[in-house]
Amino acid sequence: AQTVTQSQPEMSVQEAETVTLSCTYDTSENNYYLFWYKQPPSRQMILVIRQEAYKQQNATENRFSVNFQKAAKSFSLKISDSQLGDTAMYFCAFMKHYGGATNKLIFGTGTLLAVQP
Amino acid sequence: DTAVSQTPKYLVTQMGNDKSIKCEQNLGHDTMYWYKQDSKKFLKIMFSYNNKELIINETVPNRFSPKSPDKAHLNLHINSLELGDSAVYFCASSQDGGGPISSDTQYFGPGTRLTVL
Repeated sequence: AQTVTQSQPEMSVQEAETVTLSCTYDTSENNYYLFWYKQPPSRQMILVIRQEAYKQQNATENRFSVNFQKAAKSFSLKISDSQLGDTAMYFCAFMKHYGGATNKLIFGTGTLLAVQP
Repeated sequence: DTAVSQTPKYLVTQMGNDKSIKCEQNLGHDTMYWYKQDSKKFLKIMFSYNNKELIINETVPNRFSPKSPDKAHLNLHINSLELGDSAVYFCASSQDGGGPISSDTQYFGPGTRLTVL
C-alpha cells in the first residue's frame, strides 16, 4: 500500500524568507501524481502545486516550487518570499489510480507552517 | 460561483441520531468523493462516486451511506451517530481524464465540522 510521510509536524519561518517542507512516499507504481495542498485556519483545502511523476522537470507556481526526486521517492515543497498568508497546514498527497475511472488521494500527516512577522 | 459547496458547515448532534451532509459541485465533474479529517488533522478517503456509481468504499462502517442523485450531488447520511464520528468531512470532485491515469485535480468543498455529543 502507498504511504506518504511528512516528518516535520511544525515549522516556522520569518516573513520574506524561504522554507522547505519535506515529503517522502512509498509506492511500487511508476505513473502517479503528487500534490501539495494547503489548509489555512479557514479549513478550506487549497491546491498549491501538482507534479506528474513522468515529468522530470520540477513544477513551479509563482513562489511555490517542488524538488521531485523520483528514485528517492521524495517530493519537497519550497516556499520563497514567505508571506503571512502562507501560515497554514500543508499536506503532501499521492494520487493512486484505483481501477476504473476514479483516483483517491493518500495524504501525509501534514506540516503546520507558521510565518512570523 | 462556489465550485464545491457543502451544507451544513457545522453540525452538532447527540449520539444515536441520524444526520446528513449535502455536497454539490458546479464544475461539471463526473467524480465526487468524501474524505474524513480526524482530530489529528489526518485526511482519509471514505467514498467516491463516478457518474452516480459507487467506485470506492474504503472500509467505512455501514452506518455511513453515500447517495448520489445525480453527478453534481453526493450526500452523506450517517445513522446512529457515535462519538468517534466527530470529525471534519470534506467533499471533493474531479474530472476523470479517462486514460490509464487521470491527470485531473480534486477540488475540495469547505468541509463540515460534525460534533457528536
